[in-house]
Amino acid sequence: DGGITQSPKYLFRKEGQNVTLSCEQNLNHDAMYWYRQDPGQGLRLIYYSQIVNDFQKGDIAEGYSVSREKKESFPLTVTSAQKNPTAFYLCASSIGAGVGYTFGSGTRLTVV
Amino acid sequence: DQQVKQNSPSLSVQEGRISILNCDYTNSMFDYFLWYKKYPAEGPTFLISISSIKDKNEDGRFTVFLNKSAKHLSLHIVPSQPGDSAVYFCAASWKTSYDKVIFGPGTSLSVIP
Repeated sequence: DGGITQSPKYLFRKEGQNVTLSCEQNLNHDAMYWYRQDPGQGLRLIYYSQIVNDFQKGDIAEGYSVSREKKESFPLTVTSAQKNPTAFYLCASSIGAGVGYTFGSGTRLTVV
Repeated sequence: DQQVKQNSPSLSVQEGRISILNCDYTNSMFDYFLWYKKYPAEGPTFLISISSIKDKNEDGRFTVFLNKSAKHLSLHIVPSQPGDSAVYFCAASWKTSYDKVIFGPGTSLSVIP
């Protein structure tokens, strides 16, 4: 069954620590994305990658980093430089231009 | 500066009636529009889309209307069912940047049995 897997579903982090969110897809999609959802603000693009070993900053990339070493995987690291990291993070993929995304089920990150 | 706006944060509709969710956009470069549905603690799922060369697209109970001159689109759900209760996101993209989709803030729909 093809899809996108995000893990973990819930994540707690202490202030000042980096944390990595996992995103794996077996849809053979070239493009992958990370979005952040905050109440009343919809989904905001953090980073996206159109091909392996290439990625671009989205609208709110500060305090985040990504890698795309494999087509299937697009992990997101939330660094200690991110001022307000508590949010719901969504990973998505698409086969290309003009086609709807497939989303994962999300990771809720809470900084304690 | 939101390029995609959904001015109604919430909407309540009786089961069996029509639900109309509205979306406005500011960027005239947008040429592809999508609607996503999201249940709590889950990722959004793609619902329906429309290209700017059309003014209407239907898929079962869901119809999207596009008024380019007004930079407005709407999603109609007829008849509404309790399982339609979810947050609906309007989204848009454009030719030179299809890989960057801009999402609106969402409208929470409650369908009352």
